[in-house]
Amino acid sequence: AQSVTQPDIHITVSEGASLELRCNYSYGATPYLFWYVQSPGQGLQLLLKYFSGDTLVQGIKGFEAEFKRSQSSFNLRKPSVHWSDAAEYFCAVGAYGGSQGNLIFGKGTKLSVKP
Amino acid sequence: DADVTQTPRNRITKTGKRIMLECSQTKGHDRMYWYRQDPGLGLQLIYYSFDVKDINKGEISDGYSVSRQAQAKFSLSLESAIPNQTALYFCATSARDRANEQFFGPGTRLTVL
Repeated sequence: AQSVTQPDIHITVSEGASLELRCNYSYGATPYLFWYVQSPGQGLQLLLKYFSGDTLVQGIKGFEAEFKRSQSSFNLRKPSVHWSDAAEYFCAVGAYGGSQGNLIFGKGTKLSVKP
Repeated sequence: DADVTQTPRNRITKTGKRIMLECSQTKGHDRMYWYRQDPGLGLQLIYYSFDVKDINKGEISDGYSVSRQAQAKFSLSLESAIPNQTALYFCATSARDRANEQFFGPGTRLTVL
């Protein structure tokens, strides 16, 4: 069955430090992969997506993610974190088969930013 | 104006009451979804609709029903609310040809006492 694992429930980084949020997926074919961000009291906003092609994808707000098929990973990175990046981040994989078009979400990683 | 809107944004109700959450979109998308979010559990799919006449159960549909009144409107009902349905509910939409790329509404926070 398809699944997404975000190993870190909560991460705290200092403002200006680099960030990497981990995401591992279980999937039987080439996956469609997504990262969403949820700011407090807000809905989910799409940060970036991977469908095919270049395995390093750029997103909004200075984020990037790298698809590594050999590791079944799609980790999210940012070179320098800003206080406004404090939010919850969700990795998702697109479902296939009868549920094609649906998303399977990880349980999220909450990011706190220290001044 | 927001592309995906949800009403109400907050609702407190009592056990046994019927409640409806509404979602409207101006994106022209065929597909619409209802999710539930609980702390530490991520998002779970309740129902999804690929078009007005195609409605499907998601992973946690028990206790919920939906209605797709038009391409732009998708409502979620709790026929008899119970406390463990207290959660944050999100509506989302996607285009037919980019089905996995979903756009989310702002959410409805529902509390069942």
